[in-house]
Amino acid sequence: TQLLEQSPQFLSIQEGENLTVYCNSSSVFSSLQWYRQEPGEGPVLLVTVVTGGEVKKLKRLTFQFGDARKDSSLHITAAQPGDTGLYLCARLERKLIFGQGTTLQVKP
Amino acid sequence: EPEVTQTPSHQVTQMGQEVILRCVPISNHLYFYWYRQILGQKVEFLVSFYNNEISEKSEIFDDQFSVERPDGSNFTLKIRSTKLEDSAMYFCASSVGLVEEQYFGPGTRLTVT
Repeated sequence: TQLLEQSPQFLSIQEGENLTVYCNSSSVFSSLQWYRQEPGEGPVLLVTVVTGGEVKKLKRLTFQFGDARKDSSLHITAAQPGDTGLYLCARLERKLIFGQGTTLQVKP
Repeated sequence: EPEVTQTPSHQVTQMGQEVILRCVPISNHLYFYWYRQILGQKVEFLVSFYNNEISEKSEIFDDQFSVERPDGSNFTLKIRSTKLEDSAMYFCASSVGLVEEQYFGPGTRLTVT
C-alpha cells in the first residue's frame, strides 16, 4: 500500500495568518490531487498537479508539487474563517488513495 | 450544475440487517465508485464500477458487499449483514473517464447498532 502522510493533522490559526500543509509519499505520484471536505459533505476537488515542480494558484491557495513528485504542499495566504475544513491530498490512479487529512480551523 | 446525489442521508440499522445505499451519479459519467470514511479516519476506496461490472475492489469489499446499477440512473451499495464496524460515512463518486476528476456525493451516514 502506497501511503500518503499529511502534516500537520490539526491546525488552528487566527484569521489573516498564513499556513502550509504538507503531503508526502515514499513513492512517486503519477498525479496528485488536493480536496477540501466540509462536515457532512463529500470531498471537493481543488486542484490536480501532474508535473514535478508544478505550482498552481487558486485565489489565496498555492499548490506546489515537489520536483521528485513525492511530495506536495498547500499554502494558504491570509486565511479566512471560510477556509475552515478538512484538506485531503490523494493520489489518482484508477482509484483515489487519500491521506488522512489536515483539519484546519481559522478563528475570526 | 450536475451533482451526485445520495439517499438516505442517514441510515440507522441493527447489526445483521441488510442495508442498501443509493446513489444517482452524474448522467454522462461512465465510472462509479464507493468510498467510506470511518469517523476520524481517512477516506478509503471500496469499489469501482464500469460497464456494468466491478473494475476494482479493495480488501474491505468482501462478500458482504455488492454493487449494482439496476437501471440507467441509480448505483447502489448493498451490505448483506451489517456489522458494528460498518458504521461510517459512505460516499458515492462518479467520473467521465478512469483518471478524470471524480465528483463526490454528500454521503450517507450509516450507523449500525
